[in-house]
Amino acid sequence: AQSVTQLGSHVSVSEGALVLLRCNYSSSVPPYLFWYVQYPNQGLQLLLKYTSAATLVKGINGFEAEFKKSETSFHLTKPSAHMSDAAEYFCAVTWGSGGSNYKLTFGKGTLLTVNP
Amino acid sequence: EAQVTQNPRYLITVTGKKLTVTCSQNMNHEYMSWYRQDPGLGLRQIYYSMNVEVTDKGDVPEGYKVSRKEKRNFPLILESPSPNQTSLYFCASFQYGGLTDTQYFGPGTRLTVL
Repeated sequence: AQSVTQLGSHVSVSEGALVLLRCNYSSSVPPYLFWYVQYPNQGLQLLLKYTSAATLVKGINGFEAEFKKSETSFHLTKPSAHMSDAAEYFCAVTWGSGGSNYKLTFGKGTLLTVNP
Repeated sequence: EAQVTQNPRYLITVTGKKLTVTCSQNMNHEYMSWYRQDPGLGLRQIYYSMNVEVTDKGDVPEGYKVSRKEKRNFPLILESPSPNQTSLYFCASFQYGGLTDTQYFGPGTRLTVL
């Protein structure tokens, strides 16, 4: 079955440190990949998406992610963490096409804590 | 402003009392979907709709019903809620024409069933 795995349910970094949130997918066909962020008591906001135009994708708030087909990964990074980055992050994939369900399959989420 | 709205945002109810969570989008999207979010499980799809009068089950449809009589609205119905339906619910909408188009999410409805 197709699935998404986020390694680490909780990641803690210091302010100014590198943020690395891991996402791997299992699929026999190329997926479409997304990262969403959820701030406390809020809905989901799209950070970035993989469109197949470029393997390195830049998103909002200084985040980026690199699609590596050979590793079936789509890890999210940010060079320097800010206190405002504290939130839960979800990797999501979809494989639907032309008349199919465009269901997003989500990872279980990674809670990012940023320490001063 | 493009948005998906949900009502109510918070709801506490008792077992067996029928309830409806409304979802409305103003983007003329054809595709709409309901997800539930539970700690440690991420988001899981409940039902989806490809267009008016076209709905189908997602991964966790048991105990839920939906309808799609108008393009903009996609209510989620719990006819006899149970405590295991206590969760955070999100409605989403999307216009397919390319899978990489964005799915827009509503703000969420936090439901507690006692």
